[in-house]
Amino acid sequence: DAKTTQPTSMDCAEGRAANLPCNHSTISGNEYVYWYRQIHSQGPQYIIHGLKNNETNEMASLIITEDRKSSTLILPHATLRDTAVYYCIVRVFTGGGNKLTFGTGTQLKVEL
Amino acid sequence: DTAVSQTPKYLVTQMGNDKSIKCEQNLGHDTMYWYKQDSKKFLKIMFSYNNKELIINETVPNRFSPKSPDKAHLNLHINSLELGDSAVYFCASTQRTTGELFFGEGSRLTVL
Repeated sequence: DAKTTQPTSMDCAEGRAANLPCNHSTISGNEYVYWYRQIHSQGPQYIIHGLKNNETNEMASLIITEDRKSSTLILPHATLRDTAVYYCIVRVFTGGGNKLTFGTGTQLKVEL
Repeated sequence: DTAVSQTPKYLVTQMGNDKSIKCEQNLGHDTMYWYKQDSKKFLKIMFSYNNKELIINETVPNRFSPKSPDKAHLNLHINSLELGDSAVYFCASTQRTTGELFFGEGSRLTVL
């Protein structure tokens, strides 16, 4: 699986957009980009995923660069409840076992 | 209704004991996982089952034995517990064709 690089931590003011970057320069053509988050003491939560095109759902938007070597997760209006560790994962989509390998992630702290 | 439920949530036991953690999902998924999160917060995959068949088995000591009686249940039995087994164990489920995993709330195991 391609490796990912994320900043260790980021701060964001409540109500502002949180932009979380991820580098995945060795990504292969058939690898998807997934984003999960883990709020303190809870199980990880799926946020969004994409292959080439930008994606948006009720939680966030995912912007993938044209060369697919990096992506940005956008939380449009961050709230205190968005404080969590955010994981960027790249994974081949296969009918065999989906082995999502979690890295160290980005600790996002949303403040008043 | 809880989608992925684990029992017990907390487990404190002595070294050398044998213990089990149970996991059930009511999402109709065909694939289930066990992940381990240690004190440094690294989240590592241990096992994955698809329709009761073991499909992922990471380098995990033989003392750990997963069992899947049906595709809605995946239990984890640990023999001869060691101090290093202290961690939070997360169960997850998904449809094999997607990478969207649903995680349980975790089972915190403390070995004294």
